[in-house]
Amino acid sequence: EVQLVESGGGLVQPGGSLRLSCAASGFTFSNYWMTWVRQAPGKGLEWVANIKQDGTEKYYVGSVKGRFTISRDNAKISLYLQMNSLRAEDTAVYYCARGSLGADDYWGQGTLVTVSS
Amino acid sequence: DIQMTQSPSSLSASVGDRVTITCRASQSISNYLNWYQQKPGKAPKLLIYAASSLQSGVPSRFSGSGSGTDFTLTISSLQPEDFATYYCQQSYSTLWTFGQGTKVEIK
Repeated sequence: EVQLVESGGGLVQPGGSLRLSCAASGFTFSNYWMTWVRQAPGKGLEWVANIKQDGTEKYYVGSVKGRFTISRDNAKISLYLQMNSLRAEDTAVYYCARGSLGADDYWGQGTLVTVSS
Repeated sequence: DIQMTQSPSSLSASVGDRVTITCRASQSISNYLNWYQQKPGKAPKLLIYAASSLQSGVPSRFSGSGSGTDFTLTISSLQPEDFATYYCQQSYSTLWTFGQGTKVEIK
């Protein structure tokens, strides 16, 4: 069974940093693109970033470019999102998802990031 | 970035109704269009990929169509468990984007 479990969310002050993790199981992690998607409270889904199987290609939405870094460790079967210079508008539930056939076919349960003083 | 516009933003329907949600892309995206269902407090669930391919395990009352810029998600006979918010997503460009969502409510 495919499982994705996010962790690392919490309360952080504006300008602070946080590192999210996503532990994968039930599939060959190194064979898939992986994605981060976020959802602000009461709002819609926003695609944040994705990363190729070997980590050589990474893409970001404009609002996080230069502040967030997506990475993966195929040996540890884990996906990461390093978030720096956090702003109030980054407050959201962050989901990791598996990319397959041009879609995100499995999702984690999400982890809440709250940026507030 | 490619903009995705869904309509309507919300709709009220009854069990058994046929429901149609549309999604328009700001430029041609071929068939790189996905549909997701999200219930409150839950992660999104993939329903349709590549505009018309039904994800494994998804009931056949869900169908998708379209290509280029205009796409449709149809629920042939709405069931109680289908009341949720639906999102389209383009995966044509390197930066994927979602529509704003369509909330399907009980009439």
